[in-house]
Amino acid sequence: ETGVTQSPTHLIKTRGQQVTLRCSSQSGHNTVSWYQQALGQGPQFIFQYYREEENGRGNFPPRFSGLQFPNYSSELNVNALELDDSALYLCASSLAEGTTDTQYFGPGTRLTVL
Amino acid sequence: TQLLEQSPQFLSIQEGENLTVYCNSSSVFSSLQWYRQEPGEGPVLLVTVVTGGEVKKLKRLTFQFGDARKDSSLHITAAQTGDTGLYLCAGRKAGTSYGKLTFGQGTILTVHP
Repeated sequence: ETGVTQSPTHLIKTRGQQVTLRCSSQSGHNTVSWYQQALGQGPQFIFQYYREEENGRGNFPPRFSGLQFPNYSSELNVNALELDDSALYLCASSLAEGTTDTQYFGPGTRLTVL
Repeated sequence: TQLLEQSPQFLSIQEGENLTVYCNSSSVFSSLQWYRQEPGEGPVLLVTVVTGGEVKKLKRLTFQFGDARKDSSLHITAAQTGDTGLYLCAGRKAGTSYGKLTFGQGTILTVHP
């Protein structure tokens, strides 16, 4: 059973550019959630995808968008990058069933916007 | 305003000491989780509590969920240097979808030899 992987590990962009971050879910998981973690803070929920459909969104502007593919891998796209977008971006996969779900986090992508 | 308030934000102790981290909210959560995060890695789940008043033990770690399901605590007995890390509480508010976790701001624990 493979864990959650993310790519790239680190990324440097300039203000105004666009970026795509990728996540490969744990085998068998049908749900992926994306979080933004600023330095010294807890992760903030961006959005969640369940079976290729967006299934909940946090307080992030529309320039943050995502996709989930049939194999349950996922992408996070951010347009018109701003300096405040610099953060660790985490994806977490889970198998939504029952009353609780355990989320398995990837190692994250460290994005720096200059 | 942080929905989940963690305290203290920083904790620096000697090996062998005991410590408690608190996670408080004015909202009710259907479940609450504690994670530990190492530098350069994602959070790793330690425990999930779902029932008000629930107490769970994981070796030297004791987790408690408040009776009203609004607060939780993590107690570590006889801390070791390997316990050093960022501890995060995260909750799922009643009525929200799977996966939408609300995190506290974290407690950075440093255990000195």
